[in-house]
Amino acid sequence: DQQVKQNSPSLSVQEGRISILNCDYTNSMFDYFLWYKKYPAEGPTFLISISSIKDKNEDGRFTVFLNKSAKHLSLHIVPSQPGDSAVYFCAASAVTGYALNFGKGTSLLVTP
Amino acid sequence: DAGVIQSPRHEVTEMGQEVTLRCKPISGHDYLFWYRQTMMRGLELLIYFNNNVPIDDSGMPEDRFSAKMPNASFSTLKIQPSEPRDSAVYFCASKRGISTGELFFGEGSRLTVL
Repeated sequence: DQQVKQNSPSLSVQEGRISILNCDYTNSMFDYFLWYKKYPAEGPTFLISISSIKDKNEDGRFTVFLNKSAKHLSLHIVPSQPGDSAVYFCAASAVTGYALNFGKGTSLLVTP
Repeated sequence: DAGVIQSPRHEVTEMGQEVTLRCKPISGHDYLFWYRQTMMRGLELLIYFNNNVPIDDSGMPEDRFSAKMPNASFSTLKIQPSEPRDSAVYFCASKRGISTGELFFGEGSRLTVL
C-alpha cells in the first residue's frame, strides 16, 4: 500500500518558469519529509527536506511547502533550468521509524 | 570521501540463476538500506540494518530474497532462484544515527533476468 503518492508521473516546463511537483501522504505519523532528485544511471540524491513543525523551507531556487491538514507537500523550483530535468522523489519518515517511504517519482523535463 | 559503492552496476542473468548484489556503505554510517526501483512500484524498501543487525525485512518480496551484513563495511542481497519479475534497479543506501537525516544512495545495480 503506497503511503506516499506522487500522482503526476511527468511534468514539462519551460526554462525560466516555475515547476511545481506535488506529493500526498496517508500516514499521519509521518513527521519528516524529503525530496530527492535522480538523474539516469545514478542514485537518488538529497535535495531538500522539511520537518512537520514547519510549513515552508527554502534553499536557493527550491522551496518545499507542507500542508499537514491536507497531508500534502509540494516542491517549487523557480526559475526552472534545463539541468533540473530529472526524476524527483518525495519521501517521508515517522518519528519512530528510520527508513524512508518513497513515492513513485515525477519525471520533470525543463525545455529551453 | 567515498560514497556508497555498489557492484555489479549491471547484471544480466537467466531465470533460475543465483544473483548476488554487493554494497559498501559510507564509513561510519550505522544504518544500511536496500531499496528496489521499478516502474510499477517506484522505490520500495526491501530491508534495513542497524549496526549489522537486520531490523525490518518486511519488504523482502519472498523467500527467494535474502540479505546479510557480516560487518560494518559490507552487505549482500541475494536472489535465488532469480525470476524475470525480479528485473529492477537495486539501490543500497546508508546513513548515520537515528536522526531523520537523509539517506546516501549508491549508483544502483541494474538487474535483468531473462
